This record gives sequence, structure tokens and C-alpha cells, in this order.
Amino acid sequence: SYVLTQPPSVSVAPGQTARITCGANNIGSTSVNWYQQKPGQAPVLVIYYVYNRPSGIPERFSGSNSGNTATLTISRVEAGDEADYYCQVWDSSRDHPVFGGGTKVTVL
Amino acid sequence: QVTLREAGPALVKSTQTLTLTCTFSGFSLSTSGMSMSWIRQPPGKALEWLARIDWDDDKYYNTSLKTRLTVSKDNSKDQVVLTMTKVDPGDTATYYCARLEPGYQSFDYWGHGTLVTVSS
Repeated sequence: SYVLTQPPSVSVAPGQTARITCGANNIGSTSVNWYQQKPGQAPVLVIYYVYNRPSGIPERFSGSNSGNTATLTISRVEAGDEADYYCQVWDSSRDHPVFGGGTKVTVL
Repeated sequence: QVTLREAGPALVKSTQTLTLTCTFSGFSLSTSGMSMSWIRQPPGKALEWLARIDWDDDKYYNTSLKTRLTVSKDNSKDQVVLTMTKVDPGDTATYYCARLEPGYQSFDYWGHGTLVTVSS
């Protein structure tokens, strides 16, 4: 089964690039989804199936996955991107989802 | 337009049973492949998946909470219900229902969440 490890926090200046990692043994062999959660709000899906963006999600959000690390990249960071971000995979052995511990992105 | 809304008590006492209802619209849970989950989030902590119910009434539970959880659905009312027995303060959390997109195993729609506080 998967244990997903995310850094607790990432800080980035406006206009720069934020990279949020999600680590697990051989995560590159599975699909990864990413959620954005702003304070007091429900999570919102921002990347599904590694690199796909739902309708309405800016192109600044992108995903990648290889080896033991999946990455959510936010380009040209804006103040409105400040939020918690969670990765999620599907544990096929137990047929249920697993979430990472979340990463708080702070825009300086 | 898909919407989900959770409802339930804001405050329950320790050892009591918690019942939460998710009312949804914009899709049918009786459609092949559809699935709904309950997910919770203690204050300041990460998301934790609790339970899932599929269109064919298959049910799955978080292993560590399995003995305390029951999930059911009412297709005629477009509702999914989660029951949790013997609650304790550690169950204090915001509880979300979410639709599982079957093809990509991602949660594409979420309710706004309902905060449940368990008092001792």
C-alpha cells in the first residue's frame, strides 16, 4: 500500500515557480491526482491522471510523475494560489484512495 | 450542474452515533460506474478517506474505522448516508462527501463539508 509523503510547506515569490512533491515507492507506476484547498473551503481537483487539468484550472498548473516522486508545478505563482495542496493515488490492493499529508504553499 | 451538500449535527456527544447525509444532484448514483465517498478532515490536519459506495451497492471502508462505519444510498432521493458509531473527540472533523470520477479515480466534485464536533 502507498504512504504519500509531502513537504509540509513551500514558499514562493509571486511570479516564480512552485514545485510540490509527493513521494512514495514507485509512485511513477500509478496515476496521481492533486487537490487545492483554500482556507475554509472544500478541496478542488486541479490535476487528474498525472497531468490533466479539469475545466477552469489555469494552464499554470501542471503535473508530472516518475520514479518515486510526483510533482505539481505552479508556474507564475499568484497570491490566489496560496492554499494547501494534497496529492492522492489509488491503492489497488485495498481498492481505496490514499491522500498525502498536504503541503501549505505560501506566496511571499 | 453537479452539486453535493452534506447535512448532519454540528455537535454530538462521545459514545453516540453520528449520521450524516449527502444530497446530490446533476447525476445518478444508479448509473453504471458511479461512486461516492466520504472523506473527513480534522481541524488543521490532512484529508482522510472513510468510505465508498458504488452504483451497484458495493461498499468499501477505511480499514481502521471499518467496525464503526456504515454507508448506504437511496437512489430515489439522490442521497448517500454515513453512520459512525461510538464517536469520540478524535472524530471531530469536517466531513465531506465527494463524487469519484471512475475513469481517473479522482474526486471531481465535493460538497462544502460539515463540521462535526464531538464533546466528551
